Parts: sequence; C-alpha cells; structure tokens
Amino acid sequence: AQSVAQPEDQVNVAEGNPLTVKCTYSVSGNPYLFWYVQYPNRGLQFLLKYITGDNLVKGSYGFEAEFNKSQTSFHLKKPSALVSDSALYFCAVRDRGSTLGRLYFGRGTQLTVWP
Amino acid sequence: DADVTQTPRNRITKTGKRIMLECSQTKGHDRMYWYRQDPGLGLRLIYYSFDVKDINKGEISDGYSVSRQAQAKFSLSLESAIPNQTALYFCATSDPLAGAYEQYFGPGTRLTVT
Repeated sequence: AQSVAQPEDQVNVAEGNPLTVKCTYSVSGNPYLFWYVQYPNRGLQFLLKYITGDNLVKGSYGFEAEFNKSQTSFHLKKPSALVSDSALYFCAVRDRGSTLGRLYFGRGTQLTVWP
Repeated sequence: DADVTQTPRNRITKTGKRIMLECSQTKGHDRMYWYRQDPGLGLRLIYYSFDVKDINKGEISDGYSVSRQAQAKFSLSLESAIPNQTALYFCATSDPLAGAYEQYFGPGTRLTVT
C-alpha cells in the first residue's frame, strides 16, 4: 500500500529563520515524490518533485527538499522563511512502477511564518 | 491555474438535490481526476479518467458519479447530495508523457450541503 505521513499538522517559524516541513512515505517500489502548496481560496500549486538523481531537489520560491531513501523521507526546507510562505503544504507520492499514475497525498501541514 | 477551470466556484445546495460540478482544461492532458479536500484529511481521490473511454473509481466514489464528455471536460455529479458531502472539490490533470505524473489543479469548488 502507498501512503504519505506528514507528522506535524502545524509548523510555526519566525521570518528569516530556516523552516522544515516533514514528510515520510511508504510505497511498494521506488517513488516519485512531490510537494504542493495551497494558499487560501486557491488550488494546489506544484512546488517541486523528486524523480531520480540528486537527493536535494530545488523548486519554486526558494524551496528545496531532500530525499532520503533509507529513512523514506522527503522533507521540505527553506533557508530563510518569509511571511508570504504561510500556507498549507502537501506531500504526495507515486509508485514509479505503477501504471495508474495516481498520487497519494498526506494530510497537509499548515505553515505559519510570523513577522 | 487558468489552464484548469472549475465551475461553479461556490455552491450551496439542499439535501437530496442533484448537483453537477464541471471541470475544463486547456492543457491537452489525457488524464483527469476529481478529489475532495476535508480539513485534517488531505485530498482523497473520488474518480479518475485516463481518457474519454476509461473511467475508474477512487477511494471514496460512493455517492458520486462522473462523466468524461471530451478530452477537455470531466464532470462530477452528486445524485442526491447529503451534508457530509460538504467539502472543497478539486479537479486535476496530468500528462503521462511528462514522465513523473505531476498533477495540475483547478481553483476548487466549495460545496455546502444544508
């Protein structure tokens, strides 16, 4: 079975500090991994993905994520948080060997960056 | 987001009414999906379609039906709405030729069933 866990419902960080939003996954094969962001009253926007290669993936708005196969994790990071980063973040996984192509999403982590 | 549009954006309806949510896309993608989002539960897949003739149930399809009228259009129907179908509904598309199957989402429809 495929699944994603985001262990923190809420992450709070001061502007200018580094931020981490955690994600762990479970797939039967090798994963494709994704991060999406949702701003209030908006749809989900794609941030970044891991397909293969470098474990550190860079994405939009200065975000990056580190793939760790041994820990089955794909944590989202940013060196210096902005108030405008406050949003709901979703991690998603797809089994690379699956022909169905569907994504499995975590429950989301609400990030709040205070001034 | 303009590549994937959803109508209506907001809808309030009464228990027992039939309602249709519509999704259109200009991305030229074959695959389309309907999700619902509930607070604390993330996104759950209702139905997905690989092309006009291929429609599949997701994890929470009971009480819902879909129609893929064309490559660009994928509608979700609630035949007899009930209050626990109050949620935010998203349509999404993907292109398998892109390799990694990332999905592109519409702006969502907020549905309230009273």
